[in-house]
Amino acid sequence: GQQVMQIPQYQHVQEGEDFTTYCNSSTTLSNIQWYKQRPGGHPVFLIQLVKSGEVKKQKRLTFQFGEAKKNSSLHITATQTTDVGTYFCAGVEGDYGQNFVFGPGTRLSVLP
Amino acid sequence: ETGVTQTPRHLVMGMTNKKSLKCEQHLGHNAMYWYKQSAKKPLELMFVYNFKEQTENNSVPSRFSPECPNSSHLFLHLHTLQPEDSALYLCASSQDLAGRNLNNEQFFGPGTRLTVL
Repeated sequence: GQQVMQIPQYQHVQEGEDFTTYCNSSTTLSNIQWYKQRPGGHPVFLIQLVKSGEVKKQKRLTFQFGEAKKNSSLHITATQTTDVGTYFCAGVEGDYGQNFVFGPGTRLSVLP
Repeated sequence: ETGVTQTPRHLVMGMTNKKSLKCEQHLGHNAMYWYKQSAKKPLELMFVYNFKEQTENNSVPSRFSPECPNSSHLFLHLHTLQPEDSALYLCASSQDLAGRNLNNEQFFGPGTRLTVL
């Protein structure tokens, strides 16, 4: 079955440093979504990527979908303490997938 | 507030108890989901319902029994659980299943923190 992996599992950064998490799928994806879960909270939708090579930006966050549609990345520029949380990617497999498969997440800690 | 509510927020039960988790969405969505979130397997999909019909049962033990009486309500009936079932149970909804609508973000409820003694 489809597997979605994320690296790193944990990341500790100093406030102001950049952060990147990578998402890799064992199969080609039709689209991918990113979610953020704050400590003690529930996952909240950030963005969806559909096209090969697509790049989308939300303020300090940059999302990229790979050319082969098997990987994606989330980059945060100049992290802030409000960025703390776990970032999940979720991919839909190929042409027939009906459900999103979530990656294990990357937990980000930001030291002030 | 995401438009998805879950009750109770916390639940402690013994292994011989029977309890139910409730989820309600006020978004007019057609698809609803149960996820289990634990330290070992974050965001593990359990069940999917689309227009009240179950479309996915992700090899979940029979001690978990879902019920979807209408598109707005989803239940998870629990009986004879094991301590390893202790986890955060999250309900989510989306307009349609992922493959049919590209703008299908999932809206999650706050979850029920379940502890099985």
